[in-house]
Amino acid sequence: EAGVVQSPRYKIIEKKQPVAFWCNPISGHNTLYWYLQNLGQGPELLIRYENEEAVDDSQLPKDRFSAERLKGVDSTLKIQPAELGDSAVYLCASSEPGGPLHFGNGTRLTVT
Amino acid sequence: AQSVTQPDIHITVSEGASLELRCNYSYGATPYLFWYVQSPGQGLQLLLKYFSGDTLVQGIKGFEAEFKRSQSSFNLRKPSVHWSDAAEYFCAVGAGGYNKLIFGAGTRLAVHP
Repeated sequence: EAGVVQSPRYKIIEKKQPVAFWCNPISGHNTLYWYLQNLGQGPELLIRYENEEAVDDSQLPKDRFSAERLKGVDSTLKIQPAELGDSAVYLCASSEPGGPLHFGNGTRLTVT
Repeated sequence: AQSVTQPDIHITVSEGASLELRCNYSYGATPYLFWYVQSPGQGLQLLLKYFSGDTLVQGIKGFEAEFKRSQSSFNLRKPSVHWSDAAEYFCAVGAGGYNKLIFGAGTRLAVHP
C-alpha cells in the first residue's frame, strides 16, 4: 500500500513570494489533514477535510493561507505571501473515518 | 483547554537499558491518548493509543504505555532500547478520537552503543 505522498520535500523561497504544497492521501482515505510543525515543536492542526469539505479550519490563518481538496482526493495548501515565520515543516496526513492518521514525510519550507 | 506536556526535551540511554518517556495532559473529560514516533526527515508513526479499558496498552516495536488518571499521565516505556529507537517521540491528546490531536513538544531520544 502506498503511503501519503507529499511534494516537494524541500522548498526555499524569498519572503512575500507564494508557495504551494501538494498531498496525495492513501487511496480510500476520506479524511485529510494538514499539520504545521515548527522546529522543536509538535505538529499543530491547520485544517481537516472530510472528502472535499473543510470541516475544521479554525487554526488556518486565512489571511495568507488557503487550502483546497478538489474531488475529495488530492489536496493543495498555499501560502501567499510567505513570511519568515512560515519556515516550518508542513505535514499531510490521511485516515479512514475514525481511524488512525497516516502521515506523509512532510515539506520543509524555508523562507529567506 | 487541552494541552500536553513532555517534561524532557532530550533523553540519552544506553542500548539495552530501559526507557521511560513522560507525558502529562490536561483535558476535562476522559482523554484519548496517543504516542507517535518521528525519525529524522520522516512523518509520524503511531506507536500506541488509549481510548478506554485496560490502562496498560501495548504498542508496536515493543513499546507500552500506562494511563494514570490520578496523575494525568500517559508515560511510554520500553524494557530494552535498541539503537534503532533513536528518534523523536510525541505524546498527543485527542477530543473524540483522532480528529483534532494536540501534540506535546516532543522528547528526542538518543541511544548510546
